[in-house]
Amino acid sequence: AQSVAQPEDQVNVAEGNPLTVKCTYSVSGNPYLFWYVQYPNRGLQFLLKYITGDNLVKGSYGFEAEFNKSQTSFHLKKPSALVSDSALYFCAVRDMNRDDKIIFGKGTRLHILP
Amino acid sequence: KAGVTQTPRYLIKTRGQQVTLSCSPISGHRSVSWYQQTPGQGLQFLFEYFSETQRNKGNFPGRFSGRQFSNSRSEMNVSTLELGDSALYLCASGTSGGNEQYFGPGTRLTVT
Repeated sequence: AQSVAQPEDQVNVAEGNPLTVKCTYSVSGNPYLFWYVQYPNRGLQFLLKYITGDNLVKGSYGFEAEFNKSQTSFHLKKPSALVSDSALYFCAVRDMNRDDKIIFGKGTRLHILP
Repeated sequence: KAGVTQTPRYLIKTRGQQVTLSCSPISGHRSVSWYQQTPGQGLQFLFEYFSETQRNKGNFPGRFSGRQFSNSRSEMNVSTLELGDSALYLCASGTSGGNEQYFGPGTRLTVT
């Protein structure tokens, strides 16, 4: 069965420092991978996705993620954090070989400290 | 384009009642998925519809059901409500399974 794990419930980063939010996945076929962000009192917003091709994917608000097939990881990164990046981040995976359902991680709360 | 809309935004029901939630996807989107979000469990997948057919279903009891209409609008129904059904119910639409989803603001259901 497919699964996705976000090992950190919360990540604290000082403003201006690089940030990483971790995500690992397990699927039997080829993964489609996504990152979403949920700001307080706002809906979930799509950030970026990996379908195929270049392992480094660039998305909205300066975020990027690196697909690592050998480590089955899809970590979210940003070179310089902003206070406004503070939010709840979700990683999601879908096994497209099986046209399976989308599974979300439990989320990681990112706190950017001024 | 207008975003995904969900109605109602807030609901308060008592145990044993039933509830119907509605979702209107972005124009042109044929895929609609439903999720339950709670602080302890995160986002739990309920079901996905594509062109009026249920394509996938999550691990929820039969009290949870849904459907999709020919205009891609979708409804989900929860019968015999339990206290544990209190949650934010999110609807998301997309063009097809492999593409990103666009979420509505959700319906906050409180069961007392």
